[in-house]
Amino acid sequence: DIQMTQSPSLLSASVGDRVTINCKASQNINKYLNWYQQKLGEAPKLLIYNTNNLQTGIPSRFSGSGSGTDYTLTISSLQPEDFGTYFCFQHNSWPLTFGSGTKLEIK
Amino acid sequence: EVQLVETGGGLVQPGRSLKLSCVASGFTFNNYWMSWTRQAPGKGLEWVASITNSGGSTYYPDSVKGRFTISRDNAQNTLYLQMNSLRSEDTATYYCTRDPWYFDYWGQGVMVTVSS
Repeated sequence: DIQMTQSPSLLSASVGDRVTINCKASQNINKYLNWYQQKLGEAPKLLIYNTNNLQTGIPSRFSGSGSGTDYTLTISSLQPEDFGTYFCFQHNSWPLTFGSGTKLEIK
Repeated sequence: EVQLVETGGGLVQPGRSLKLSCVASGFTFNNYWMSWTRQAPGKGLEWVASITNSGGSTYYPDSVKGRFTISRDNAQNTLYLQMNSLRSEDTATYYCTRDPWYFDYWGQGVMVTVSS
């Protein structure tokens, strides 16, 4: 099974900051990496698919990059509504696996 | 508008069974693979099962293989998850999700609590 290690697990940042969240796979996942945002009491929402493709309706301040085993989600200028927990997810091979999550708090 | 509405959750004793349903609308159901994903209280996300658009093939992680069965009725636009031999560690919110390569749409989730 492919293990997805996210870092940091907790992140506190201010409005306007540039924020990065990292995800490392235990083996090459060929850019089959998605990012989701989840707010308390809600279902997750797809932000980025296949490493760097912005889902329809997601603001352009969100972007993704990476290859091989290392991937990054970047928020270029943090907004108050960006608080929540972020998860990475690999769909390169079965079983499909998620990272453990990064809780983003707004200072 | 795409909608996924799950039903069937509740409190069940360890070792018993429960069947979840998910009614889909707003898209051509039989064009899409579908999945179930779960989240234990205060924990992360875990993929539980996927099924091809025709229903001909299914996929599971080892944690539920042999106990859970995903199925679908394309005529009724409905996805199912039959859960047998339930354990306390199966306690979670279960989400119906579209397309395992994207999980681009999620239901609101249904809570399953396994406890005596």
